[in-house]
Amino acid sequence: KAGVTQTPRYLIKTRGQQVTLSCSPISGHRSVSWYQQTPGQGLQFLFEYFSETQRNKGNFPGRFSGRQFSNSRSEMNVSTLELGDSALYLCASSLAPGANVLTFGAGSRLTVL
Amino acid sequence: AQSVTQPDIHITVSEGASLELRCNYSYGATPYLFWYVQSPGQGLQLLLKYFSGDTLVQGIKGFEAEFKRSQSSFNLRKPSVHWSDAAEYFCAVGDNNQGGKLIFGQGTELSVKP
Repeated sequence: KAGVTQTPRYLIKTRGQQVTLSCSPISGHRSVSWYQQTPGQGLQFLFEYFSETQRNKGNFPGRFSGRQFSNSRSEMNVSTLELGDSALYLCASSLAPGANVLTFGAGSRLTVL
Repeated sequence: AQSVTQPDIHITVSEGASLELRCNYSYGATPYLFWYVQSPGQGLQLLLKYFSGDTLVQGIKGFEAEFKRSQSSFNLRKPSVHWSDAAEYFCAVGDNNQGGKLIFGQGTELSVKP
């Protein structure tokens, strides 16, 4: 059974650009959550999607957005990138909300110059 | 405020020695508790979880954790550490209503001396 797949694994952007990250959940998993990991702030919840609807949202500015497709794949987008957006972005999937057992992908490492 | 505290930023133990990583939480609802491990450049792998029932839970790789409600703690233990256990360990808390929204501690980096 394939795990959670995140693409791209590494990317470099410059300030002001935007970026889109992709996440394919484990087959059969319908809930996808996104986290930002930085040395200073640690792991912080961004948002959760289920059935193409945002179910929960963390405390991040509106520049951070996401969506989920009918096949449960999810994307997150960060617009007008800032240096502080440099981070490891982790996607996790679970069978459904409330299941709580998250399976994480390897992450997308974003560097903003 | 809901929070998770891992008091030890970095711990070094000798191979074969026992290990205990501390985790304390502050949470309004009945908590679900988790320990995850992260190796460099990798995502997080679930070691074990506590939802309810027996307060001593067994996980993968020989790890166990004990939930102590009175102390708001969920400490992770392993009787004999292997060099391959060197990694960063994260304690996390959630609940049934929050779904995929977990609150993570800052992590404890474990180094293993030969």
